[in-house]
Amino acid sequence: EDKVVQSPLSLVVHEGDTVTLNCSYEVTNFRSLLWYKQEKKAPTFLFMLTSSGIEKKSGRLSSILDKKELFSILNITATQTGDSAVYLCAVEHSNTGNQFYFGTGTSLTVIP
Amino acid sequence: DAMVIQNPRYQVTQFGKPVTLSCSQTLNHNVMYWYQQKSSQAPKLLFHYYDKDFNNEADTPDNFQSRRPNTSFCFLDIRSPGLGDAAMYLCATSRAQGLDAFFGQGTRLTVV
Repeated sequence: EDKVVQSPLSLVVHEGDTVTLNCSYEVTNFRSLLWYKQEKKAPTFLFMLTSSGIEKKSGRLSSILDKKELFSILNITATQTGDSAVYLCAVEHSNTGNQFYFGTGTSLTVIP
Repeated sequence: DAMVIQNPRYQVTQFGKPVTLSCSQTLNHNVMYWYQQKSSQAPKLLFHYYDKDFNNEADTPDNFQSRRPNTSFCFLDIRSPGLGDAAMYLCATSRAQGLDAFFGQGTRLTVV
């Protein structure tokens, strides 16, 4: 059965720490992997990864995909309290049309 | 063990034929959300419940309704599905708004 697993489920760090969030997947006909940040209500899009080994970077956030080992990591350096959120990983596949499998998310809390 | 369960995983309905998607949770969370996600887009919040209080997003079409008969279950009713309603529908729960949201695996709706 296709699945997306995120770890850890929750994480508490102090401001300034660096964190790494993990997403592993077993999905047939993989198309892309997406990271979202969810605050309050609607998730906001962070990255879309389709190719192995190419790091995507946006400010203090970066992400990379390993299609051989079937995982992705999301790194956040110099964390700030505003980074506190749930980070969602989703895998898009093309089995029957465009579909996404979501992980359960990692809840990150950054303490001042 | 699954904590947020959506049924069915895949649903095909005819244009204009009412359809109901279901979501159940074992977390005893107060808040339940319904999102619509179309291909390569971020999930879009349709509405949410805080306990029995229903909160509709301003731009959610009247065609979409929801019911929450008890803490564990929430339903999404689409009264007259159009072709544009074909999407992934995600259910999520949280203890309180904006905290630790857990997503189900979604229901992929196809309208023919």
